[in-house]
Amino acid sequence: AQTVTQSQPEMSVQEAETVTLSCTYDTSESDYYLFWYKQPPSRQMILVIRQEAYKQQNATENRFSVNFQKAAKSFSLKISDSQLGDAAMYFCAYRDAGNMLTFGGGTRLMVKP
Amino acid sequence: SQTIHQWPATLVQPVGSPLSLECTVEGTSNPNLYWYRQAAGRGLQLLFYSVGIGQISSEVPQNLSASRPQDRQFILSSKKLLLSDSGFYLCAWSLSGNILGEKLFFGSGTQLSVL
Repeated sequence: AQTVTQSQPEMSVQEAETVTLSCTYDTSESDYYLFWYKQPPSRQMILVIRQEAYKQQNATENRFSVNFQKAAKSFSLKISDSQLGDAAMYFCAYRDAGNMLTFGGGTRLMVKP
Repeated sequence: SQTIHQWPATLVQPVGSPLSLECTVEGTSNPNLYWYRQAAGRGLQLLFYSVGIGQISSEVPQNLSASRPQDRQFILSSKKLLLSDSGFYLCAWSLSGNILGEKLFFGSGTQLSVL
């Protein structure tokens, strides 16, 4: 079975600084998607960014970008110019044709003013 | 626009009692529907998913069941709750079809406490 690992249970960042959240996954598939979801205190999950494995270019969404290293099976999320509203749980997730979305254990991000 | 409704928001039930959580989606047809559970401080575990009326796939064997009586209605049930059923339950939907990059839209969740 596919596994998704987030090795950082908690991270903190100073407002306006940059932070990187780590994610690794295990798969034998060549075609798949990777996602980062955000769960704010309201607990409603929101998609932040997604990356197709076949695309070499790293996905970017405004202040959010990823560093996708396919050979290393690594998919980190970089948040630039961190804002107080970025404080949340962040979940890395994986999906391939044979499996539904699989989530990692999450990283709690705290933003210090 | 599409919306997803999930209720109740919180629920406290005694061990051995039945459970029924409901989720409905508006503004789309034949969505894929999902039930996830999130244990305290942990990630999401897929419990059930459905690609159409009456079509339910179970990912984890347990005393929970799911039903899809209507196209945009997804119900999570149990005949007798266990303490281990406590957790945060999230309903989600995505566009129909098996699209790898599909975005999931989540409901606001139900916090279930079994005492």
